[in-house]
Amino acid sequence: QAGLTQPPSVSKGLRQTATLTCTGSSNNVGNQGTAWLQQHQGHPPKLLSYRNNNRPSGISERFSASRSGNTASLTITGLQPEDEADYYCSAWDSSLTAWVFGGGTKLTVL
Amino acid sequence: QVQLVQSGAEVKKPGASVKVSCKASGYTFSSYFMHWVRQAPGQGLEWMGLIHPSAGSTTYAQKFQGRLTMTRDTSTSTVYMELSSLRSEDTAVYYCTREESGHPDWGQGTLVTVSS
Repeated sequence: QAGLTQPPSVSKGLRQTATLTCTGSSNNVGNQGTAWLQQHQGHPPKLLSYRNNNRPSGISERFSASRSGNTASLTITGLQPEDEADYYCSAWDSSLTAWVFGGGTKLTVL
Repeated sequence: QVQLVQSGAEVKKPGASVKVSCKASGYTFSSYFMHWVRQAPGQGLEWMGLIHPSAGSTTYAQKFQGRLTMTRDTSTSTVYMELSSLRSEDTAVYYCTREESGHPDWGQGTLVTVSS
């Protein structure tokens, strides 16, 4: 089934800002809430934001999400070594009646 | 606090079936959808389907139609995911995840290895 499109990798320096993108369609990102997940190697995913720009309690304000049309973005400010992880976007697809994921972006903090 | 505790790792032969459990606690079990997501080694996340614990109704990804069954036992707050006709490509970590304002809660994952 069709998924969402994310760049495979992004590299940024310590304390810099990284913006990760996620492109979908009007069936998912464009009209359904997008969520962002962080996953460290060997661990389950962790929810960073939901419904486009809502942060669960306990998630740092350094993580902020937004959406414009069919593209969602996750911005991470003041990059820290622990931010090095895989990041996935996800959304419900109303056409497929399925939850779809992006392929993930590996963030490297230099 | 919410906890999702999954059953242990499994090794299966091609053609066999596997049943993974996910025991929930810390919230009203019947009120929230439970999803199953899998992740093959070195790969991304793949949605398999969901179950509403109250009604027992299910929605499966088209890819798994015909060989995936999700059930629940409300008396023990446990959901089950059974995948049949296993093949090597089904080798993955399988996660249950609760839906409430996104998916804030995930099980620890269950590794299913399919090998002859």
